Amino acid sequence: EVILVESGGTVIQPGGSLKLSCAASGFSFRTHDFNWVRQSPGAGLEWISYISNSGRTIYYADSVKGRFTISRDNAGSSLFLQMNSLRVEDTAIYYCTRDRWDDSGDYIPSDHWGPGTLVTVSS
Amino acid sequence: DIQMTQSPSSLSASVGDRVAISCRASQGLGDSLAWFQQKPGQVPKLLIYGASTLQSGVPARFSGSGSGTEFTLTISSLQPEDVATYYCQKYNSVPPWTFGQGTKVEMK
Repeated sequence: EVILVESGGTVIQPGGSLKLSCAASGFSFRTHDFNWVRQSPGAGLEWISYISNSGRTIYYADSVKGRFTISRDNAGSSLFLQMNSLRVEDTAIYYCTRDRWDDSGDYIPSDHWGPGTLVTVSS
Repeated sequence: DIQMTQSPSSLSASVGDRVAISCRASQGLGDSLAWFQQKPGQVPKLLIYGASTLQSGVPARFSGSGSGTEFTLTISSLQPEDVATYYCQKYNSVPPWTFGQGTKVEMK
């Protein structure tokens, strides 16, 4: 069974830093690409970052570029999101999601999601 | 960046109704379009990828169509358990992989 579990969410003051983790199990972590997606209270989904299976290709949404850093530990089957210079508008549930390729060679985005971890940025 | 626009933003329908949700991209995506369902209080779930390929385990009443800039998610016979917000997402080779703003489906 594919399991993704995020952790690290908390209440933090504006300007602070926080590191989120996503622990994966039940599949070969090193062969998959991953994303972080967030959802502010009562709002829609926002894709914020992607990392390839090797870690060599990384992308960010403009809203977090320069402040957030995605990384992974393939040996430890974990995904991370280092969040710096946090703003009130970064308040959200943060989800890690797994991408995969199907048997036909088609790319499947976010076929599994963790339960999310809540980050609240407030003074 | 490519903008994703869903319509309607909400709809109300009866059990058994055919429901269609539109997703329009500001530039062509080929078939790199996915649909997600998020039930109240739950984590989003992938329904369709490649614009029209049903994810394993998803009921056959859900279908996707379209390519390029115009896409549609159709529920052929709405069931009470389909009450949810539905999101489209582009995932072509050029990030960001933007979601649409969501369509809330309610029962009449």
